[in-house]
Amino acid sequence: SQKIEQNSEALNIQEGKTATLTCNYTNYSPAYLQWYRQDPGRGPVFLLLIRENEKEKRKERLKVTFDTTLKQSLFHITASQPADSATYLCALDDSGAGSYQLTFGKGTKLSVIP
Amino acid sequence: DGGITQSPKYLFRKEGQNVTLSCEQNLNHDAMYWYRQDPGQGLRLIYYSQIVNDFQKGDIAEGYSVSREKKESFPLTVTSAQKNPTAFYLCASGNRGKLFFGSGTQLSVL
Repeated sequence: SQKIEQNSEALNIQEGKTATLTCNYTNYSPAYLQWYRQDPGRGPVFLLLIRENEKEKRKERLKVTFDTTLKQSLFHITASQPADSATYLCALDDSGAGSYQLTFGKGTKLSVIP
Repeated sequence: DGGITQSPKYLFRKEGQNVTLSCEQNLNHDAMYWYRQDPGQGLRLIYYSQIVNDFQKGDIAEGYSVSREKKESFPLTVTSAQKNPTAFYLCASGNRGKLFFGSGTQLSVL
């Protein structure tokens, strides 16, 4: 099965700066890759989905890129705010058969410092 | 309100006891999933179901059982065979690959 690595367990940045989180996978390129946000004691919340034929996707202050050559996705939060502090999870479909079995990374805990 | 409802929020299990975690959805999704999350770990798939009366084992199904008698409901039983059940359990339903999660159940062993 796929192995997913998210670049760091924790990332601290200053308010207003751009946060960049990395997700690397090891095997075949999935049909799509997703990013979720998880707050302590809560379930993850879907943020963005990017397909293998899409290089970039944006939603408000969020941007995701997907490089199948590097086997990597980058997740950016521009003009970061303290309210963006959370753990961000990368996930991809590991089934290869479209049955939507997602494999999740361990997450990166982002702290935005006022 | 549409969504996924998990209950209870906190659950304690005595040694040798089976416990059942509830998961209900009103999103009309065919697919439902159970994940386990341990501190500092990613979510690991326990079981999933793509249609009523059918379900498949995930990566860590040993010591767990599920049923899917109704589209809306996908309860998870943690059996006494699961020797390390303490974890945060998350139920989700899916729509074209995108997952919608419940608020989780924290299971601890007494």
